[in-house]
Amino acid sequence: DGGITQSPKYLFRKEGQNVTLSCEQNLNHDAMYWYRQDPGQGLRLIYYSQIVNDFQKGDIAEGYSVSREKKESFPLTVTSAQKNPTAFYLCASSIPRTGGTTKEKLFFGSGTQLSVL
Amino acid sequence: AQSVSQHNHHVILSEAASLELGCNYSYGGTVNLFWYVQYPGQHLQLLLKYFSGDPLVKGIKGFEAEFIKSKFSFNLRKPSVQWSDTAEYFCAVRAGYGGATNKLIFGTGTLLAVQP
Repeated sequence: DGGITQSPKYLFRKEGQNVTLSCEQNLNHDAMYWYRQDPGQGLRLIYYSQIVNDFQKGDIAEGYSVSREKKESFPLTVTSAQKNPTAFYLCASSIPRTGGTTKEKLFFGSGTQLSVL
Repeated sequence: AQSVSQHNHHVILSEAASLELGCNYSYGGTVNLFWYVQYPGQHLQLLLKYFSGDPLVKGIKGFEAEFIKSKFSFNLRKPSVQWSDTAEYFCAVRAGYGGATNKLIFGTGTLLAVQP
């Protein structure tokens, strides 16, 4: 089945530790995104990538890093510089629409809940 | 399993028409409810949210949504749409509070096209 797979579903981070969240898609989508969800807030964009080997910072990129070496994969590393990493992290990908009034259609993964020990 | 259903995949309206987009979810416990919008060429942004209290919530740009617990619904409404409302609208549900039950589940989206 085609889709977006995020792993792990739950992740615990120790103080000062870097952790990496996986996002893999077999939809052949060019664009991929990482969002963060905090209680009481809406989604916030961390990083996005429109094409392989290229990515841009979103609204809250500090303390995070990404890579896009393969079209299917867009891993997110939460570094020790991120002082408040506890959140729900959502990966998405998109495909350009052929026709219609919006340029792309978003698809979402099932998310990773990251907590600090 | 928890799920979110948006039954209207593509809606076409004329300017000044009224809008109602359906959203139903399957979860019996406490939920937080969201509507997100993606305008052409832009990223997702929050339109409105419901956490508790008055089940009729008002968001940006004249949108509102009503939480009807007995129907497991959170429909989005706007009395009079404008061409600039052309976008894709996503309903999302967060089930439970904190820790392991912090998952956010999205519907598949409704594409709204408003004709001038």
